[in-house]
Amino acid sequence: NAGVTQTPKFRVLKTGQSMTLLCAQDMNHEYMYWYRQDPGMGLRLIHYSVGEGTTAKGEVPDGYNVSRLKKQNFLLGLESAAPSQTSVYFCASSYSGGYVSPLHFGNGTRLTVT
Amino acid sequence: DAKTTQPNSMESNEEEPVHLPCNHSTISGTDYIHWYRQLPSQGPEYVIHGLTSNVNNRMASLAIAEDRKSSTLILHRATLRDAAVYYCILREGWGNAGNMLTFGGGTRLMVKP
Repeated sequence: NAGVTQTPKFRVLKTGQSMTLLCAQDMNHEYMYWYRQDPGMGLRLIHYSVGEGTTAKGEVPDGYNVSRLKKQNFLLGLESAAPSQTSVYFCASSYSGGYVSPLHFGNGTRLTVT
Repeated sequence: DAKTTQPNSMESNEEEPVHLPCNHSTISGTDYIHWYRQLPSQGPEYVIHGLTSNVNNRMASLAIAEDRKSSTLILHRATLRDAAVYYCILREGWGNAGNMLTFGGGTRLMVKP
């Protein structure tokens, strides 16, 4: 019963390096999301996807790219990491986008950019 | 977007009921009230949601004011495992705007043994 799995769990990057965060869900959910959470704050939506092959911008999309080539996977890319992207990143999925479809979250990736 | 206001923190004793308030005075007729909680070092976890009527599930109860400008999440018997940050969120019930769950600061619940 894996649910939503995020890899890696921790990562340290130098400014300017690139990396990809992987999110995988095994619940056959259509919708997937990437959020970031800064210390002592709530979550902010970066990008989301309403189905395989689709992506859309959220509240704070700048500096990030995403891809949804397979229904079960949602990738978040940082092309040139900046210290301002130091954060905890959470992936989530839901069966649909409607109000009755709760989000299921992974346990996060803690990223530090030095 | 309609916003919510919650106390920053609350304390409770173990095995006592906890009432977590949320104000949402600008709520629209199509906004659903959702609650999530976030345990330490974990992602948020869905707790409950409702529109107008009070709701119960195995985790908690949700009491919604008649004018819908406020709601209360009720944990009937707090346990140490319930120590978490609780988020009250309004979610539009239609269209792609429903994808935009907005998490505020939430209420940090501390449970004393």
